[in-house]
Amino acid sequence: NAGVTQTPKFQVLKTGQSMTLQCAQDMNHEYMSWYRQDPGMGLRLIHYSVGAGITDQGEVPNGYNVSRSTTEDFPLRLLSAAPSQTSVYFCASSYSVGVGEKLFFGSGTQLSVL
Amino acid sequence: QQPVQSPQAVILREGEDAVINCSSSKALYSVHWYRQKHGEAPVFLMILLKGGEQKGHDKISASFNEKKQQSSLYLTASQLSYSGTYFCGTGSGGSNYKLTFGKGTLLTVNP
Repeated sequence: NAGVTQTPKFQVLKTGQSMTLQCAQDMNHEYMSWYRQDPGMGLRLIHYSVGAGITDQGEVPNGYNVSRSTTEDFPLRLLSAAPSQTSVYFCASSYSVGVGEKLFFGSGTQLSVL
Repeated sequence: QQPVQSPQAVILREGEDAVINCSSSKALYSVHWYRQKHGEAPVFLMILLKGGEQKGHDKISASFNEKKQQSSLYLTASQLSYSGTYFCGTGSGGSNYKLTFGKGTLLTVNP
């Protein structure tokens, strides 16, 4: 059982480049989300999805796009990378948004924007 | 709005106890606790769903005071493996929908 899989693990971009961070889960989870983690800031929610075809913004959505065409996949797109987007990105999922459902996290993607 | 955690960091010797607090300016319906070791993903510890609820996991337990809008995580007889950053998370209406995390508490347990 793979759980939540994120690729790539590391990425270096130049300012202005675009890229997609991949997230896939094999647990048939309804809820998926993206967080970024910066030193001293904790985990901040970027975007989330409560099911295929349904996405919404979190606390820090600017500069990021998401889509959810299947239950399994929830890619995060950086349209035009900026140094402020240098961070560690975590994808997380849970069976549902119901009370008591815990989040399962992927292993993270460390992104540097030069 | 992020919940506020205190302390920001704590250093213990093996066998000592620690308390990590999490408070919110909004009404709390549930509190999640996660631990993250350096370079790894956060891992779920426990969820507290009702005011006054207490849970335990090995020598790690937590309480939830709905009225005071706060939760506390208790680590007793700490082990080296307890080292890491602890995060509390609060959801909307008791679910994990839009779970918002505190900035974390770095716990270091030394031999």
